Amino acid sequence: AQSVAQPEDQVNVAEGNPLTVKCTYSVSGNPYLFWYVQYPNRGLQFLLKYITGDNLVKGSYGFEAEFNKSQTSFHLKKPSALVSDSALYFCALGSTGGGNKLTFGTGTQLKVEL
Amino acid sequence: KAGVTQTPRYLIKTRGQQVTLSCSPISGHRSVSWYQQTPGQGLQFLFEYFSETQRNKGNFPGRFSGRQFSNSRSEMNVSTLELGDSALYLCASSSDLAHEQYFGPGTRLTVT
Repeated sequence: AQSVAQPEDQVNVAEGNPLTVKCTYSVSGNPYLFWYVQYPNRGLQFLLKYITGDNLVKGSYGFEAEFNKSQTSFHLKKPSALVSDSALYFCALGSTGGGNKLTFGTGTQLKVEL
Repeated sequence: KAGVTQTPRYLIKTRGQQVTLSCSPISGHRSVSWYQQTPGQGLQFLFEYFSETQRNKGNFPGRFSGRQFSNSRSEMNVSTLELGDSALYLCASSSDLAHEQYFGPGTRLTVT
């Protein structure tokens, strides 16, 4: 069975500082990995994905993620955080058995303060 | 392109009733997936439809069912509602395997 872990329920960072939201995964075979963001009372917005290729993936709104196969991690990063980045972030693992089933982590609440 | 739309946005039902939720995918997307989001269980996969066929199913009881029409629009139905079915139900569409899914705003279901 595949699984995703987000070890931090909440991450606090000052505006202008770099941010990292952690994600680790467990899967047999090559992973398909995604990051989504959810604002209050909204659906999920796609940020970026790793399917294959470069380990550093660039996405929307200045976010990027680093895929590390040996550590089975896919951490989300941004060089300079904005207050408007405050939201709930989900890491997700795509199904290797065909189809579009996503297995989500528990989510990390990011709070960016002035 | 218009995004994924879901109707209704909010719904209040009583225990024992049934409910039907609707989802219209992004034009051209043939895959539609449904997810349940609750504070306790997080985001859980319900099922996926592709070209009117259920391609994947999550671990939910048979009270949860769905279908997809020839225009890719999808509905999910929950029969004999329980208090624990109160949740945000999210629909997502995708154009191809292993590609990102685009989510609708969700339907907030409250069971009293």
